[in-house]
Amino acid sequence: DSGVTQTPKHLITATGQRVTLRCSPRSGDLSVYWYQQSLDQGLQFLIQYYNGEERAKGNILERFSAQQFPDLHSELNLSSLELGDSALYFCASSGTFGTGELFFGEGSRLTVL
Amino acid sequence: AQSVTQLGSHVSVSEGALVLLRCNYSSSVPPYLFWYVQYPNQGLQLLLKYTTGATLVKGINGFEAEFKKSETSFHLTKPSAHMSDAAEYFCAVTANTGGFKTIFGAGTRLFVKA
Repeated sequence: DSGVTQTPKHLITATGQRVTLRCSPRSGDLSVYWYQQSLDQGLQFLIQYYNGEERAKGNILERFSAQQFPDLHSELNLSSLELGDSALYFCASSGTFGTGELFFGEGSRLTVL
Repeated sequence: AQSVTQLGSHVSVSEGALVLLRCNYSSSVPPYLFWYVQYPNQGLQLLLKYTTGATLVKGINGFEAEFKKSETSFHLTKPSAHMSDAAEYFCAVTANTGGFKTIFGAGTRLFVKA
C-alpha cells in the first residue's frame, strides 16, 4: 500500500460528458502529480502541484484541468470526453519537490463509450 | 527538455538467467534517474534511484543499475531472474527544466520462462 488513494477505481461514461477523479496523497506529501497511461501513448505526465500551486505542466489537454486543495487532496477534471480519453489515470505524490521518489495510487480506469 | 528511451518493449528470459533492461536518457541538466516496476492492476513502485554520488545503485528485489554519464545510460540488471520478476519496468528521468517533471520511458515488459 503506497498510501496514495484514488477514487473512483473504475468509471464508465459517454462521449461529451465530464468526470472528476480524486486523489488523496500520502500523509505529509505536498506534491501531487497526475499521469495518463494508455496502450498507444504510454505513461504521459499531465501536471504537478506543490502545496496548492501548479508547478509543472506536461501534455495536458485544454479540456482537462486540475487543482490541489488546502487539505492537499487533488482533483483532475476531464470534460467533453472523447473515446481517446479512455485510459488509466494515475496520481502520485512525493514528499520532496521534484527530485524524490513518486508514490503511485492504483489508478482510476476511465472508459468512454 | 528531458526524454527517456527504453530499448525493447518486450524482453523474455529464462528463470535463473541474467536480466538486462536498457534505458538511455537525454537531459540538458544533471538528471535524477529512476526505475519503477508495475505489476498487473497496480500502480508503479520504485525499484531504485540515482540522484548523486555512487554510480552503481542497488535497489529492491536484487536489482541494480549503473549510471553512465558518457553513454547517457541507466541500464537495469539482475543476476538471476525469478518468476515473480515478470512485470512491466519503467525508466524515468527528473530534471529541473522550468519545473521538475518526471518523464517515463515507454516501458519494457519482462517475461520469465520456467
